[in-house]
Amino acid sequence: NAGVIQTPRHKVTGKGQEATLWCEPISGHSAVFWYRQTIVQGLEFLTYFRNQAPIDDSGMPKERFSAQMPNQSHSTLKIQSTQPQDSAVYLCASRQPSAETLYFGSGTRLTVL
Amino acid sequence: QQQVRQSPQSLTVWEGETAILNCSYEDSTFDYFPWYWQFPRESPALLIAIRPVSNKKEDGRFTIFFNKREKKLSLHITDSQPGDSATYFCAASRASSGQKLVFGQGTILKVYL
Repeated sequence: NAGVIQTPRHKVTGKGQEATLWCEPISGHSAVFWYRQTIVQGLEFLTYFRNQAPIDDSGMPKERFSAQMPNQSHSTLKIQSTQPQDSAVYLCASRQPSAETLYFGSGTRLTVL
Repeated sequence: QQQVRQSPQSLTVWEGETAILNCSYEDSTFDYFPWYWQFPRESPALLIAIRPVSNKKEDGRFTIFFNKREKKLSLHITDSQPGDSATYFCAASRASSGQKLVFGQGTILKVYL
């Protein structure tokens, strides 16, 4: 069990460019969450999928952020026209159905110059 | 609005002392309260958790005390060790929101020899 896998580990973009972050949840985990971590805001919920269906995207900045889960083995978070304030560590997490423990990936550190 | 609040922001104790980390919440419908810890350059991981049916949960040197009436809980770490130095996050969730975790801002604990 390799845990939740996130790629890339680090990404640097210029202001206005697009960034795509990838997540592979633990096999058998049907719930997938995306969080963003910064020093100022802490751990912020972005969005969550259950059985690949989007359930709650209440934490997503609506205009430039989107997330998908095309199959049970991966999810993507796309940020269009990145801004310096998007700089953060983006964490993907997954859990088993009806379980409570979230398992986090190592995160993708996004730096927008 | 911050649904889960933690205090203090940072805490320093000596090896062997008891560290007390505090947490409070707003929403009485929260029904699951995990504590996650995060070591530098690592991702958050579950430490210990409690449900409101209990007012105490113990796991080795780590104990959660829960006061449902006051909407407060605390994490006590007895016989603190340098290896306990980490950021501790109090979180809360409710079944009706798919157990989406809402995190507090965290308490940075440092244990000195």
